[in-house]
Amino acid sequence: AQSVTQLGSHVSVSEGALVLLRCNYSSSVPPYLFWYVQYPNQGLQLLLKYTTGATLVKGINGFEAEFKKSETSFHLTKPSAHMSDAAEYFCAVSDLPGGTSYGKLTFGQGTILTVHP
Amino acid sequence: DVKVTQSSRYLVKRTGEKVFLECVQDMDHENMFWYRQDPGLGLRLIYFSYDVKMKEKGDIPEGYSVSREKKERFSLILESASTNQTSMYLCASGLPTSINSPLHFGNGTRLTVT
Repeated sequence: AQSVTQLGSHVSVSEGALVLLRCNYSSSVPPYLFWYVQYPNQGLQLLLKYTTGATLVKGINGFEAEFKKSETSFHLTKPSAHMSDAAEYFCAVSDLPGGTSYGKLTFGQGTILTVHP
Repeated sequence: DVKVTQSSRYLVKRTGEKVFLECVQDMDHENMFWYRQDPGLGLRLIYFSYDVKMKEKGDIPEGYSVSREKKERFSLILESASTNQTSMYLCASGLPTSINSPLHFGNGTRLTVT
């Protein structure tokens, strides 16, 4: 069985500060990992994904995440926060690359990011 | 652009009513999903479908059923709505086992059961 734990239900940063959202996973097979973002009153949008290959993956809007197998982690970072980054962020795991077949996506609890001017 | 459309943005129903939540996607995706989103619990999978007339239970199927008569449409049914089914419901679609194809989500239906 797979599971995802996001540390911190709320994270608050100042504009221009580093953003760090933590995600740890548990999977019995090589994991495929995803970060999604949800802006107010909208559905989820894919930020980035790790399937195989390079462990540092870059996504949209300046976000990146590093897969660390030894730490079972996939933390999301952005060097400089912008007001428009305020949203809820979800980490997810699947045992299949696209996360769309029988493997399905298992989501973490979500982290609400607040950005202060 | 892939579009996943959920028929209602907000819905208010009474306890015991039969409720239908509709979802339509326009990209010929094989797989469709219904998730429930609650604060502090993230998204939990209710049911998914990998083909017309095929369905599989997710993690929390109790109290729900689904219907997929056409490839583009996936309906979630609450046979007898209860107050603990008040939640945000998200539909998603995607291609099977494709590295380059993420799940695409609708904007959600916020259901209140009184």
